[in-house]
Parts: sequence; structure tokens; C-alpha cells
Amino acid sequence: DAKTTQPTSMDCAEGRAANLPCNHSTISGNEYVYWYRQIHSQGPQYIIHGLKNNETNEMASLIITEDRKSSTLILPHATLRDTAVYYCIAADRLGNEKLTFGTGTRLTIIP
Amino acid sequence: GAVVSQHPSWVICKSGTSVKIECRSLDFQATTMFWYRQFPKQSLMLMATSNEGSKATYEQGVEKDKFLINHASLTLSTLTVTSAHPEDSSFYICSARLGGNQPQHFGDGTRLSIL
Repeated sequence: DAKTTQPTSMDCAEGRAANLPCNHSTISGNEYVYWYRQIHSQGPQYIIHGLKNNETNEMASLIITEDRKSSTLILPHATLRDTAVYYCIAADRLGNEKLTFGTGTRLTIIP
Repeated sequence: GAVVSQHPSWVICKSGTSVKIECRSLDFQATTMFWYRQFPKQSLMLMATSNEGSKATYEQGVEKDKFLINHASLTLSTLTVTSAHPEDSSFYICSARLGGNQPQHFGDGTRLSIL
């Protein structure tokens, strides 16, 4: 699986959009970009995933660059409950289904 | 939808005992389930991949005789930590996926403390 790089930590003001970047410059053509988050002492929560088109669901939007070497997760109106560690993972859905978790980005929403 | 239930949420037991953790997919049939372990201040580490009706595939460095995995049905996988010792104390998390393009969904984890 492609290695991903994320900032260690970020702060965002409550009510503002939180933009979390992720670099995956070695991603291969059949690897999806998955985003999960983990709130303290809980299991990871699935947020969104995509291959090359931008995706949006009720939780977030995922913007993938045209060359697919990076992506940005957008939480449109951050709340205090969005404080968590966010993981960006590139994984091959066709054969290798394993998710390799890195260190993620610790997002803190500031009141 | 896509709810994964894990039981128990936490367990404390004496060194040398065996502990069984259950992982259930409540509203879907999971072709594959995964078991992860997370030590304090660290990220999740995959322990093994479990396919219904077949033997689990363990990651390098994970002892298959110590961490017994059974995936007897499409909705249940169990992890048994045999002869647990204090160094096995950790947060154990399972996940399940339907298949195809569907993502993995995680349980809420089991915090295991061995005294």
C-alpha cells in the first residue's frame, strides 16, 4: 500500500471549515484513498473514500488532486465533537484489503 | 447501517488466563473481518485477517498460537488471547467489511488489562 503523509496536528475554530491535507505521492492506479477518524478510546469511524473523483457525503468532502498525489478532507462546519485523530489511508481494494494506519493528524477544534 | 459490535468493552484478568473477544457485524454479512491492536499513544497495528470458513492470515510477528481467531459465520469472529500476560494488555479492535468497494467498519474496541 502507498505510504501517506499527514501533519501531526492541527487546530480549527469551531464553526469553521477544517481542511486536513494528505500526501500520497506513490499511490497506484487501483488504490483508493480512505479517511477514518478515531475519537479517544473508541474504534475508528469511517468518514469517506474515493478513487479519483471528488466525493461528498453527510460527514465530509474529499478533494483529490488530478494527479492523485494528494487529497484534502474537508469538514465544512467543525464542531467540538470533531476533535479526533484523522487517518488518511491508501489501500488497494482489488486484492489487498488491509488498511495500514499511520500516525494521522490530531485535529483539535477550538471553542 | 454497517454496525460492528464488539464484546466485552473492557476486561481485567489475572496473568495466565485466556480471554475471548467477540466481533459481530449486526446489519450485514462480513466476508472478511480484521483484528487490530493499539498500544497507548500509538496507531492501530493489524494483527490478522479473518475470512469466514478459512484459517486466519496473521501479520508478521503475531503469534498464531497465542492469538486464536475463529470466523465461524459471516457475522461473527472471535479473538482468544491465550495465557495472557501483562505485555498483552492493549486496546483490541475488530473491523468488518461486506466486500467489493465497501469500506471497513470498526467496533468500539476492547480494552484488555492483564494483572
